[in-house]
Amino acid sequence: GAVVSQHPSRVICKSGTSVKIECRSLDFQATTMFWYRQFPKQSLMLMATSNEGSKATYEQGVEKDKFLINHASLTLSTLTVTSAHPEDSSFYICSARDKGLAGGSSYNEQFFGPGTRLTVL
Amino acid sequence: KNQVEQSPQSLIILEGKNCTLQCNYTVSPFSNLRWYKQDTGRGPVSLTIMTFSENTKSNGRYTATLDADTKQSSLHITASQLSDSASYICVVSEGYNKLIFGAGTRLAVHP
Repeated sequence: GAVVSQHPSRVICKSGTSVKIECRSLDFQATTMFWYRQFPKQSLMLMATSNEGSKATYEQGVEKDKFLINHASLTLSTLTVTSAHPEDSSFYICSARDKGLAGGSSYNEQFFGPGTRLTVL
Repeated sequence: KNQVEQSPQSLIILEGKNCTLQCNYTVSPFSNLRWYKQDTGRGPVSLTIMTFSENTKSNGRYTATLDADTKQSSLHITASQLSDSASYICVVSEGYNKLIFGAGTRLAVHP
């Protein structure tokens, strides 16, 4: 149980184009999903927190107009990198919190997806 | 400032040997501490999660300890295998929502 998938796993695009990354909770409902970015040999950096049906909350320094997040259902969140540039090349990872655990768990359990490698040429 | 520091930064051991990874944190309010294993090019996978009142927790060959007084944690790997080669990340939950990530320890297990 508690599987999170991401699609695509790898994407290469030209500078200036937009790229959409999907994050799905496969066997549970997620009221909250998180988007992280990871540069080589560095740890994960939180970009934004999205709650189903409401606007995402972005971390300081993350441009909300560049990284569009949509959390339209309890099992799907999308991250769109608009007008991508080479410096946006990174490993993007999502995580999801189980709605069923959210109220009763003291662990704030987040389940991570396998990540998406974005390369902007 | 809330921080999680891990040591060593990298480690090489021989297959079959044991090793211990360290994590020091200054995070408030503290909710729980977790260890993740991240293979190259993959998302993190949870190994253990401990709350304030838990001193130790095991998951197979992985044993994590937590000293909430000194704000230190360790991850001990027993009888290492080649498949243990990965980054091990210490993560502390600040309150309910926010996770503070350590930079990780890159472990290489050689035959």
